[in-house]
Amino acid sequence: LAKTTQPISMDSYEGQEVNITCSHNNIATNDYITWYQQFPSQGPRFIIQGYKTKVTNEVASLFIPADRKSSTLSLPRVSLSDTAVYYCLVGDISYGQNFVFGPGTRLSVLP
Amino acid sequence: DAGITQSPRYKITETGRQVTLMCHQTWSHSYMFWYRQDLGHGLRLIYYSAAADITDKGEVPDGYVVSRSKTENFPLTLESATRSQTSVYFCASRGLAGEETQYFGPGTRLLVL
Repeated sequence: LAKTTQPISMDSYEGQEVNITCSHNNIATNDYITWYQQFPSQGPRFIIQGYKTKVTNEVASLFIPADRKSSTLSLPRVSLSDTAVYYCLVGDISYGQNFVFGPGTRLSVLP
Repeated sequence: DAGITQSPRYKITETGRQVTLMCHQTWSHSYMFWYRQDLGHGLRLIYYSAAADITDKGEVPDGYVVSRSKTENFPLTLESATRSQTSVYFCASRGLAGEETQYFGPGTRLLVL
């Protein structure tokens, strides 16, 4: 399983763009990169997934360079409600259990 | 209600007792998972199931037992609870391989005294 490394915590202010980078140096050819968000006392919630280049949805963008050894989750114009823990996962979505959750990045959005 | 539910939401038990945590999903998802989350840590996979009657160990299976007689249910049993099993337990489900999202339940907070 590909190990991921991401910052333990980040602070930001409302309205700013937040970029959280995840390193995954030993990512395998069939691995996808997936990000989840977790609020206190709730289960994680899927945010975005990608394989290469850029993926964008209504809540975030995911940037993956050509070598795929890292990825960056971009949250545009964060609000207080974006305060949460963000997890980067790498795994082969062809199988059921290849995802390993690390400690995640605790994002604090300040007013 | 549609979705994934867990019961009970909170449980206090004593060391040595058997405890069963329930998980139910209404999507007929093939895959189901049990995770535990300890304070300040990420989630660790306990067991998973690819389909009814098919289960396999995850990262931290010791002390736990699962079964999956029906697609929609995936109970987790602590055969003899220990204090180290005090944690928040999350159940999740996912469709067929290749689908991108795991859907998580609200969690069960278990305290073992």
